[in-house]
Amino acid sequence: DSGVTQTPKHLITATGQRVTLRCSPRSGDLSVYWYQQSLDQGLQFLIQYYNGEERAKGNILERFSAQQFPDLHSELNLSSLELGDSALYFCASSVGDTAGKTQYFGPGTRLLVL
Amino acid sequence: AQTVTQSQPEMSVQEAETVTLSCTYDTSESDYYLFWYKQPPSRQMILVIRQEAYKQQNATENRFSVNFQKAAKSFSLKISDSQLGDAAMYFCAYRSAGRNYGGSQGNLIFGKGTKLSVKP
Repeated sequence: DSGVTQTPKHLITATGQRVTLRCSPRSGDLSVYWYQQSLDQGLQFLIQYYNGEERAKGNILERFSAQQFPDLHSELNLSSLELGDSALYFCASSVGDTAGKTQYFGPGTRLLVL
Repeated sequence: AQTVTQSQPEMSVQEAETVTLSCTYDTSESDYYLFWYKQPPSRQMILVIRQEAYKQQNATENRFSVNFQKAAKSFSLKISDSQLGDAAMYFCAYRSAGRNYGGSQGNLIFGKGTKLSVKP
């Protein structure tokens, strides 16, 4: 158990819908990262927050957004969902935002868009 | 942009034997970090081992060790005394040590993974 929690574990929804994925980092970790794992794209970095502020952005679609709250939990919002958004979404956390800090991954949320 | 290549989609090893998973990467940077993550059937991403590029000594964690060849941009993982619980997908990952706020540098770049099977 990495100490990072993600809810829900599974999510099934329809095209065009909007969903929210939630992540609680390890105690004491200020950085939260979101990754998407799909069969065709592999593991891709989406976005990073550090202590409530957006710190880095990767291959995140405009239909997707995220935020980190004062209690440091983070939410990833996916809207106007398409079939291709079906994937495993991971949250990871680290103590700081420097590269040397190890990222610890949560169990992931499996999203299926029908 | 940095890339990570794992040329072995699948590997197989006999229990108690040793196996080496390959990883190469492409970067123009001199300071970075390399990681191996394990993803068992549960899908949890578990850190196996990490290597700082500025360190010449190869990292070791119990039965897991790496062969880091900076000039060749190679970072292989050796698993000794393989166990059934080692069966999983293994991902090699790169992370730049530089700060580039607003961009994607500094975050993990993963290879496509190697599926390791362990035969009893």
